[in-house]
Amino acid sequence: ETGVTQSPTHLIKTRGQQVTLRCSSQSGHNTVSWYQQALGQGPQFIFQYYREEENGRGNFPPRFSGLQFPNYSSELNVNALELDDSALYLCASRVANTGELFFGEGSRLTVL
Amino acid sequence: DQQVKQNSPSLSVQEGRISILNCDYTNSMFDYFLWYKKYPAEGPTFLISISSIKDKNEDGRFTVFLNKSAKHLSLHIVPSQPGDSAVYFCAASSLIQGAQKLVFGQGTRLTINP
Repeated sequence: ETGVTQSPTHLIKTRGQQVTLRCSSQSGHNTVSWYQQALGQGPQFIFQYYREEENGRGNFPPRFSGLQFPNYSSELNVNALELDDSALYLCASRVANTGELFFGEGSRLTVL
Repeated sequence: DQQVKQNSPSLSVQEGRISILNCDYTNSMFDYFLWYKKYPAEGPTFLISISSIKDKNEDGRFTVFLNKSAKHLSLHIVPSQPGDSAVYFCAASSLIQGAQKLVFGQGTRLTINP
Protein backbone atom coordinates (compact mmCIF):
# COMPACT_ATOMS: atom_id res chain seq x y z
CA GLU A 1 0.00 0.00 0.00
CA THR A 2 1.78 3.09 -1.26
CA GLY A 3 -1.00 5.63 -0.77
CA VAL A 4 -0.91 6.51 -4.46
CA THR A 5 -4.05 5.68 -6.41
CA GLN A 6 -4.63 5.93 -10.14
CA SER A 7 -7.71 5.86 -12.33
CA PRO A 8 -8.85 4.36 -14.55
CA THR A 9 -6.98 1.08 -14.23
CA HIS A 10 -7.64 0.11 -17.85
CA LEU A 11 -8.94 1.96 -20.86
CA ILE A 12 -9.13 1.60 -24.61
CA LYS A 13 -8.94 4.52 -27.03
CA THR A 14 -8.62 4.90 -30.76
CA ARG A 15 -5.86 6.65 -32.65
CA GLY A 16 -6.25 10.42 -32.69
CA GLN A 17 -8.33 10.59 -29.53
CA GLN A 18 -7.34 12.30 -26.29
CA VAL A 19 -7.01 10.72 -22.86
CA THR A 20 -6.79 11.98 -19.27
CA LEU A 21 -5.31 9.79 -16.56
CA ARG A 22 -5.65 10.70 -12.90
CA CYS A 23 -3.56 10.22 -9.81
CA SER A 24 -4.08 10.88 -6.13
CA SER A 25 -0.94 11.10 -4.01
CA GLN A 26 -0.24 10.86 -0.32
CA SER A 27 -0.85 13.97 1.72
CA GLY A 28 2.37 15.95 1.94
CA HIS A 29 3.86 14.53 -1.25
CA ASN A 30 4.45 17.74 -3.14
CA THR A 31 6.29 16.18 -6.06
CA VAL A 32 4.61 13.94 -8.62
CA SER A 33 6.16 12.22 -11.61
CA TRP A 34 4.66 10.28 -14.46
CA TYR A 35 6.30 7.33 -16.16
CA GLN A 36 5.44 5.29 -19.24
CA GLN A 37 6.16 1.59 -19.18
CA ALA A 38 5.97 -0.21 -22.50
CA LEU A 39 5.67 -3.98 -22.56
CA GLY A 40 8.92 -5.67 -21.58
CA GLN A 41 10.64 -2.40 -20.71
CA GLY A 42 11.39 -0.45 -17.58
CA PRO A 43 9.41 2.70 -16.78
CA GLN A 44 10.48 5.83 -18.68
CA PHE A 45 10.29 9.31 -17.19
CA ILE A 46 7.71 11.57 -18.82
CA PHE A 47 7.77 14.62 -16.54
CA GLN A 48 7.71 15.84 -12.96
CA TYR A 49 5.56 18.45 -11.24
CA TYR A 50 6.49 20.33 -8.12
CA ARG A 51 4.13 22.82 -6.51
CA GLU A 52 1.83 22.68 -9.54
CA GLU A 53 4.51 23.49 -12.07
CA GLU A 54 6.38 21.22 -14.45
CA ASN A 55 10.04 21.23 -13.46
CA GLY A 56 11.50 18.44 -15.55
CA ARG A 57 10.60 16.56 -18.72
CA GLY A 58 11.91 13.45 -20.37
CA ASN A 59 12.03 12.72 -24.08
CA PHE A 60 8.30 12.99 -24.75
CA PRO A 61 6.53 15.32 -27.22
CA PRO A 62 4.37 18.28 -26.14
CA ARG A 63 1.17 16.31 -26.74
CA PHE A 64 1.97 14.77 -23.35
CA SER A 65 0.99 17.32 -20.74
CA GLY A 66 0.08 17.37 -17.10
CA LEU A 67 -1.47 19.19 -14.22
CA GLN A 68 -0.89 19.07 -10.49
CA PHE A 69 -3.47 20.37 -8.03
CA PRO A 70 -3.11 21.68 -4.47
CA ASN A 71 -4.97 18.67 -3.06
CA TYR A 72 -2.10 16.30 -4.08
CA SER A 73 -3.93 15.04 -7.14
CA SER A 74 -2.58 15.24 -10.66
CA GLU A 75 -3.45 14.44 -14.27
CA LEU A 76 -1.62 13.21 -17.33
CA ASN A 77 -3.15 14.27 -20.64
CA VAL A 78 -2.19 12.80 -23.98
CA ASN A 79 -3.52 14.34 -27.19
CA ALA A 80 -3.64 12.88 -30.69
CA LEU A 81 -3.08 9.34 -29.46
CA GLU A 82 -0.81 7.09 -31.47
CA LEU A 83 -0.60 3.30 -31.46
CA ASP A 84 2.80 3.48 -29.72
CA ASP A 85 1.21 5.27 -26.78
CA SER A 86 -0.19 1.91 -25.70
CA ALA A 87 1.53 1.29 -22.36
CA LEU A 88 1.18 1.24 -18.60
CA TYR A 89 1.25 4.78 -17.22
CA LEU A 90 2.58 5.09 -13.71
CA CYS A 91 2.20 7.97 -11.33
CA ALA A 92 4.76 8.33 -8.56
CA SER A 93 4.96 10.80 -5.71
CA ARG A 94 7.36 11.79 -2.98
CA VAL A 95 8.30 14.56 -0.65
CA ALA A 96 10.66 16.92 -2.47
CA ASN A 97 14.36 16.18 -2.03
CA THR A 98 13.80 12.69 -0.66
CA GLY A 99 14.91 9.70 -2.66
CA GLU A 100 12.13 7.17 -2.58
CA LEU A 101 9.30 7.34 -5.07
CA PHE A 102 5.97 5.77 -4.24
CA PHE A 103 4.22 4.36 -7.29
CA GLY A 104 0.58 3.80 -8.01
CA GLU A 105 -0.69 0.63 -9.68
CA GLY A 106 -0.82 2.28 -13.05
CA SER A 107 -3.32 2.90 -15.81
CA ARG A 108 -3.05 0.54 -18.75
CA LEU A 109 -3.86 2.36 -21.97
CA THR A 110 -4.54 0.52 -25.20
CA VAL A 111 -4.70 2.54 -28.42
CA LEU A 112 -6.39 0.82 -31.36
CA ASP B 1 20.80 5.02 -25.21
CA GLN B 2 20.22 2.56 -22.38
CA GLN B 3 21.97 4.16 -19.41
CA VAL B 4 20.87 1.46 -16.98
CA LYS B 5 21.04 -2.15 -18.08
CA GLN B 6 19.87 -5.38 -16.56
CA ASN B 7 21.33 -7.98 -18.84
CA SER B 8 19.48 -10.96 -17.43
CA PRO B 9 15.80 -10.91 -18.43
CA SER B 10 15.09 -13.80 -16.10
CA LEU B 11 16.56 -15.74 -13.19
CA SER B 12 15.42 -18.92 -11.52
CA VAL B 13 16.56 -19.77 -7.97
CA GLN B 14 15.70 -22.52 -5.55
CA GLU B 15 13.91 -21.54 -2.36
CA GLY B 16 16.34 -20.93 0.49
CA ARG B 17 19.27 -20.14 -1.80
CA ILE B 18 20.72 -16.74 -2.60
CA SER B 19 19.33 -14.69 -5.48
CA ILE B 20 21.73 -12.23 -7.10
CA LEU B 21 20.37 -9.65 -9.51
CA ASN B 22 22.78 -7.47 -11.44
CA CYS B 23 22.62 -4.02 -12.93
CA ASP B 24 25.12 -1.91 -14.88
CA TYR B 25 25.03 1.79 -15.59
CA THR B 26 26.96 4.11 -17.86
CA ASN B 27 26.35 7.60 -16.51
CA SER B 28 28.90 8.52 -13.84
CA MET B 29 26.67 11.41 -12.72
CA PHE B 30 24.21 9.01 -11.11
CA ASP B 31 24.51 9.34 -7.35
CA TYR B 32 21.59 7.37 -5.95
CA PHE B 33 20.41 3.90 -6.87
CA LEU B 34 17.24 2.04 -6.04
CA TRP B 35 15.73 -1.38 -6.49
CA TYR B 36 12.02 -1.81 -7.12
CA LYS B 37 9.96 -4.97 -7.15
CA LYS B 38 6.89 -5.36 -9.34
CA TYR B 39 4.12 -7.91 -9.18
CA PRO B 40 1.70 -8.27 -12.12
CA ALA B 41 -1.09 -5.68 -12.11
CA GLU B 42 0.67 -3.63 -9.47
CA GLY B 43 2.95 -0.63 -9.58
CA PRO B 44 6.64 -0.92 -8.66
CA THR B 45 7.28 -1.13 -4.93
CA PHE B 46 10.42 0.34 -3.41
CA LEU B 47 12.74 -2.28 -1.98
CA ILE B 48 16.09 -0.80 -1.05
CA SER B 49 18.40 2.03 -2.08
CA ILE B 50 22.02 3.06 -1.86
CA SER B 51 23.80 6.36 -2.10
CA SER B 52 26.97 6.63 -4.13
CA ILE B 53 28.95 7.43 -0.98
CA LYS B 54 28.35 3.88 0.25
CA ASP B 55 29.25 0.51 -1.17
CA LYS B 56 26.76 -1.61 0.74
CA ASN B 57 23.34 -1.24 2.26
CA GLU B 58 21.48 -3.99 4.05
CA ASP B 59 17.84 -4.35 5.03
CA GLY B 60 16.81 -7.72 6.37
CA ARG B 61 17.16 -10.34 3.64
CA PHE B 62 18.06 -7.72 1.06
CA THR B 63 21.52 -6.28 0.48
CA VAL B 64 22.55 -3.94 -2.29
CA PHE B 65 26.20 -3.62 -3.31
CA LEU B 66 27.59 -0.76 -5.34
CA ASN B 67 30.87 -0.87 -7.24
CA LYS B 68 31.37 2.64 -8.58
CA SER B 69 34.57 1.93 -10.45
CA ALA B 70 32.82 -0.82 -12.39
CA LYS B 71 29.54 1.10 -12.56
CA HIS B 72 27.80 -1.97 -11.30
CA LEU B 73 25.29 -2.72 -8.58
CA SER B 74 23.75 -5.93 -7.40
CA LEU B 75 20.89 -6.99 -5.20
CA HIS B 76 21.31 -10.04 -3.00
CA ILE B 77 18.30 -11.78 -1.51
CA VAL B 78 19.03 -14.43 1.06
CA PRO B 79 17.34 -16.70 1.80
CA SER B 80 15.06 -16.52 -1.24
CA GLN B 81 11.38 -17.14 -0.62
CA PRO B 82 8.52 -17.98 -3.03
CA GLY B 83 6.99 -14.53 -2.37
CA ASP B 84 10.11 -12.96 -3.84
CA SER B 85 9.01 -14.11 -7.30
CA ALA B 86 8.47 -10.85 -9.20
CA VAL B 87 10.10 -8.55 -11.71
CA TYR B 88 12.95 -6.51 -10.21
CA PHE B 89 13.97 -3.16 -11.63
CA CYS B 90 17.10 -1.28 -10.76
CA ALA B 91 16.94 2.48 -11.14
CA ALA B 92 19.43 5.30 -11.00
CA SER B 93 18.67 8.85 -10.07
CA SER B 94 19.70 11.90 -12.00
CA LEU B 95 18.66 15.51 -12.08
CA ILE B 96 17.04 16.91 -15.20
CA GLN B 97 16.17 20.60 -15.20
CA GLY B 98 16.20 20.46 -11.42
CA ALA B 99 13.83 17.52 -11.22
CA GLN B 100 14.81 14.12 -9.93
CA LYS B 101 14.40 11.56 -12.68
CA LEU B 102 14.73 7.83 -12.24
CA VAL B 103 16.28 5.90 -15.10
CA PHE B 104 15.17 2.28 -14.99
CA GLY B 105 16.67 -0.89 -16.33
CA GLN B 106 14.57 -3.31 -18.35
CA GLY B 107 13.89 -5.56 -15.38
CA THR B 108 14.77 -9.12 -14.36
CA ARG B 109 12.03 -11.65 -13.74
CA LEU B 110 12.96 -13.67 -10.65
CA THR B 111 11.30 -17.02 -10.08
CA ILE B 112 11.81 -18.82 -6.79
CA ASN B 113 11.23 -22.53 -7.09
CA PRO B 114 10.03 -24.51 -4.08
